[in-house]
Amino acid sequence: TAGITQAPTSQILAAGRSMTLRCTQDMRHNAMYWYRQDLGLGLRLIHYSNTAGTTGKGEVPDGYSVSRANTDDFPLTLASAVPSQTSVYFCASSMGGEDTQYFGPGTRLTVL
Amino acid sequence: GQNIDQPTEMTATEGAIVQINCTYQTSGFNGLFWYQQHAGEAPTFLSYNVLDGLEEKGRFSSFLSRSKGYSYLLLKELQMKDSASYLCAVRDSNYQLIWGAGTKLIIKP
Repeated sequence: TAGITQAPTSQILAAGRSMTLRCTQDMRHNAMYWYRQDLGLGLRLIHYSNTAGTTGKGEVPDGYSVSRANTDDFPLTLASAVPSQTSVYFCASSMGGEDTQYFGPGTRLTVL
Repeated sequence: GQNIDQPTEMTATEGAIVQINCTYQTSGFNGLFWYQQHAGEAPTFLSYNVLDGLEEKGRFSSFLSRSKGYSYLLLKELQMKDSASYLCAVRDSNYQLIWGAGTKLIIKP
């Protein structure tokens, strides 16, 4: 099984441009998450969704938006990218909010 | 505030034992997780503790003391493939995971 897939693998983006990072899981997990990982810092939660049709803000939501139209997909959109959004972005999912989270392979984003 | 502390880097020898410590201060506690992350890859789940004591899983064991806000991950019979970062995460009262910055483990032959 594929588990969780993310696209693209990496991207260089000009500041001010918009971009959507894609995340798809085939495990029928209810909960999905977006994290960013920066050198020297722990993973930080951007947005989450406990079930299709609902979303919530994490620790660092500013500049990002998400949607959860169905169980499988959880895209993350940067409306107007800034250099501080340069990071590695991981999508994760879990059966429920209380269960173990499983991670996608990540998207390395550079904003210039 | 919420805080997870782990050593930044540790070095150990192939075949030896290493203990990676994690201390935490969080708003509530609903379990502690350890993940392994090889360079350039995704974190992968290793262990979960919610009650005090030791959980053993093959060469890896994880210990928790809730009263001390402390956990450790014990890796035995180290192999070169164990070279990776080890991430400690605590699930808080809102069931959000709070992550430490990770401990980079370097294994030398």
